[in-house]
Amino acid sequence: EVLVLESGGGLVQPGGSLTLSCAASGFTFSTHATGWVRQAPGKGLEWVSTITSSGDSTFYADSVKGRFTISRDDSKNTLYLQMNSLRAEDTAVYYCATFNIWGQGTMVTVSS
Amino acid sequence: EIVLTQSPGTLSLSPGERATLSCRASQSVSSNSLAWYQQKPGQAPRLLIYGASSRAPGIPDRFSGSGSGTDFALTVSRLGPEDFAVYYCQQYGDSPYTFGQGTKLEIK
Repeated sequence: EVLVLESGGGLVQPGGSLTLSCAASGFTFSTHATGWVRQAPGKGLEWVSTITSSGDSTFYADSVKGRFTISRDDSKNTLYLQMNSLRAEDTAVYYCATFNIWGQGTMVTVSS
Repeated sequence: EIVLTQSPGTLSLSPGERATLSCRASQSVSSNSLAWYQQKPGQAPRLLIYGASSRAPGIPDRFSGSGSGTDFALTVSRLGPEDFAVYYCQQYGDSPYTFGQGTKLEIK
């Protein structure tokens, strides 16, 4: 079965850090660009970050640039998102997305 | 940054009718790198169309995408009850890979 499964979400205080993981299975993860999309409660979709299949290039939304880092470990078929200096406006469901393969999301809540 | 503007904000139609959703870009989308997604409440988005007009695997042929440059459209030829949802366009030609604000397709 083709799927991706996000984990690592939770409640964190403003200024804190969190690392999200996305485990892929059932397809050749290493040959695809992949990334993260988020959705704040009741809001639309916001692209966050993308990493190329080779891992050589990464791209970020202006809202997270300098605070978030995307990476991949193809030996583990896993995508990561290291999130630092978290703000209330980062509160959202974070989806891992590889072409037409999306996970169910992991919730990140930034609040004191 | 490329801004995508979707219209209308809400579209009210009956099952069996034809739906046409619009996505207009503030500048030309590179290589027609434009995707359409469907999202139902409590679910992850589902990719429908990529490359402006190519259907993703498993997507019924009643969904079609068209357009180029700055003007794109998603057409659902004959609405089924399962098609009522929110639809988003996204450009992935130039970073940042922006989304439109969405069009809600509701039952009339």
